[in-house]
Amino acid sequence: GNSVTQMEGPVTLSEEAFLTINCTYTATGYPSLFWYVQYPGEGLQLLLKATKADDKGSNKGFEATYRKETTSFHLEKGSVQVSDSAVYFCALSGKYKLSFGAGTTVTVRA
Amino acid sequence: NAGVTQTPKFQVLKTGQSMTLQCAQDMNHEYMSWYRQDPGMGLRLIHYSVGAGITDQGEVPNGYNVSRSTTEDFPLRLLSAAPSQTSVYFCASGNSGGQQETQYFGPGTRLLVL
Repeated sequence: GNSVTQMEGPVTLSEEAFLTINCTYTATGYPSLFWYVQYPGEGLQLLLKATKADDKGSNKGFEATYRKETTSFHLEKGSVQVSDSAVYFCALSGKYKLSFGAGTTVTVRA
Repeated sequence: NAGVTQTPKFQVLKTGQSMTLQCAQDMNHEYMSWYRQDPGMGLRLIHYSVGAGITDQGEVPNGYNVSRSTTEDFPLRLLSAAPSQTSVYFCASGNSGGQQETQYFGPGTRLLVL
């Protein structure tokens, strides 16, 4: 079945540092891939997505590329801010469900 | 639009008690679902619905019931709460549940079962 393996946290960074969160997946067929973000005390919201191989999703300075050959969808941001402190979830779509990774907690210090 | 709303925000139950978690959406979405979030495990699907009158089980359905009498509402019922059901519960909705579409999540209900 479908599964997502996500880099374990927590990750603590200084402001303006480079952030990478690794995500690899196992899936049948051609799923879409997503990054969702959960800010403290809130629900999940979509950060970015990619619906086919070699697509790059981007939003708020974050990027991720759908790599079918390495079954990966790593999240990157070149210069993080304190406001990026959150839990980040990698997910892939199946029939009527999303399969989520365990989540990575990111804390950015000023 | 309010999007996806959930009530209550927080609830404490004793083992064996029953309760209903409410979920409503005002986006006219056909697809709705319930997930539970546990530390180190991400979110896991409990039940989902692809339209009024149609529901199906997800990966962790035991101990939970759902029904979908209207497009807007999708309540989750715990018939006899157990400590293992202590979790954060998220409701989500989408146009059809298709593989390419974005799901919209509510703010969550934090449940503690003693």
